[in-house]
Amino acid sequence: GNSVTQMEGPVTLSEEAFLTINCTYTATGYPSLFWYVQYPGEGLQLLLKATKADDKGSNKGFEATYRKETTSFHLEKGSVQVSDSAVYFCALSDQNNFNKFYFGSGTKLNVKP
Amino acid sequence: EPEVTQTPSHQVTQMGQEVILRCVPISNHLYFYWYRQILGQKVEFLVSFYNNEISEKSEIFDDQFSVERPDGSNFTLKIRSTKLEDSAMYFCASSPHSTGNQPQHFGDGTRLSIL
Repeated sequence: GNSVTQMEGPVTLSEEAFLTINCTYTATGYPSLFWYVQYPGEGLQLLLKATKADDKGSNKGFEATYRKETTSFHLEKGSVQVSDSAVYFCALSDQNNFNKFYFGSGTKLNVKP
Repeated sequence: EPEVTQTPSHQVTQMGQEVILRCVPISNHLYFYWYRQILGQKVEFLVSFYNNEISEKSEIFDDQFSVERPDGSNFTLKIRSTKLEDSAMYFCASSPHSTGNQPQHFGDGTRLSIL
């Protein structure tokens, strides 16, 4: 079946630190992979996506590379800001089943000034 | 940029009562979804809806739940005879096509509290 596993949080970093949030997946087909971000009190916003192996999604300084060989889609940012404090969700969409997303459990990021 | 809007933002209901959560998807989108997030847990798929019928539902989406698109803009989730364990954040989402490699666009959610 399909599933997404994320590293447990919370992750606490100082401003300008390097961020990695690990995400691995299990999928029966050829998934597309997504990172969503949830700021306090808000809904899920698409952060970036990658639709095939070796694709790199990027947005707002965040990057993630679709690694088929390790079934991973780790989120990285070189220098975090306080405003990046949020919950980050890794998700996949299985191209054999277009009707739903599978989400990880979310990783809370706290960035301290 | 067009948004998915959900109302109310917070709903408090007595156990056993019926509740209707409302969503206005993005206007040219054809696929609609409901997800649930119990506090501290994963976002879980409930149901997808296309062409005025359910296209897929999860094991969570039992007879207590129903969805409807009563007019050209609203998409509702009805929960009959609510239970304490229905307390959660409910997210509506929409997409222009069957998802595949396209993202789903989410609303800000309705926090449902069952007393």
